[in-house]
Amino acid sequence: EAQVTQNPRYLITVTGKKLTVTCSQNMNHEYMSWYRQDPGLGLRQIYYSMNVEVTDKGDVPEGYKVSRKEKRNFPLILESPSPNQTSLYFCASSSGGGDTQYFGPGTRLTVL
Amino acid sequence: AQSVAQPEDQVNVAEGNPLTVKCTYSVSGNPYLFWYVQYPNRGLQFLLKYITGDNLVKGSYGFEAEFNKSQTSFHLKKPSALVSDSALYFCAVRGYRGSARQLTFGSGTQLTVLP
Repeated sequence: EAQVTQNPRYLITVTGKKLTVTCSQNMNHEYMSWYRQDPGLGLRQIYYSMNVEVTDKGDVPEGYKVSRKEKRNFPLILESPSPNQTSLYFCASSSGGGDTQYFGPGTRLTVL
Repeated sequence: AQSVAQPEDQVNVAEGNPLTVKCTYSVSGNPYLFWYVQYPNRGLQFLLKYITGDNLVKGSYGFEAEFNKSQTSFHLKKPSALVSDSALYFCAVRGYRGSARQLTFGSGTQLTVLP
């Protein structure tokens, strides 16, 4: 089954404790992206990757890091989480940027 | 830069009635437009897209969308709403960040279908 998986689905952490949210896709897509969803703001892109070892900033990259060492994986790293990063996070993949995107189930992060 | 506006945060409709969820866009060049749906505790699912051709696009679950170039709109429609259509709906437009293509999403419209 074609899918995008994310882990964990739910995470409660404290300010400053480094965390990683994993994302994996099995569709051999070149393009992957991270979004955060906040009420009234829709989805805002954090980072995207056009291929292995090619990443770039989206609209709201501050406080986040990503890496793309393999085509299927695109982890999101919060080196020092803060409460304003409490949000719902989605990973997505597509064959190209701006093409139909396939979304993971989401990770609800709470930073205390 | 491209943008999407969904002017209604909330739309309520009675089951069996037609529904419309509104979307307007701004983008340079020919618009590529998408609708996604998000059910509770789920990721976004693709509903339909407009690239070129017929202004009325048909998608999943009986939804369709009408592209209007002069009004820069791409409204989502369904002739007869179901309670199970209750969800959060997002419109998106393809644009560019530098040389990289990307999707820009609207703020979402919560659709509630009342039994």
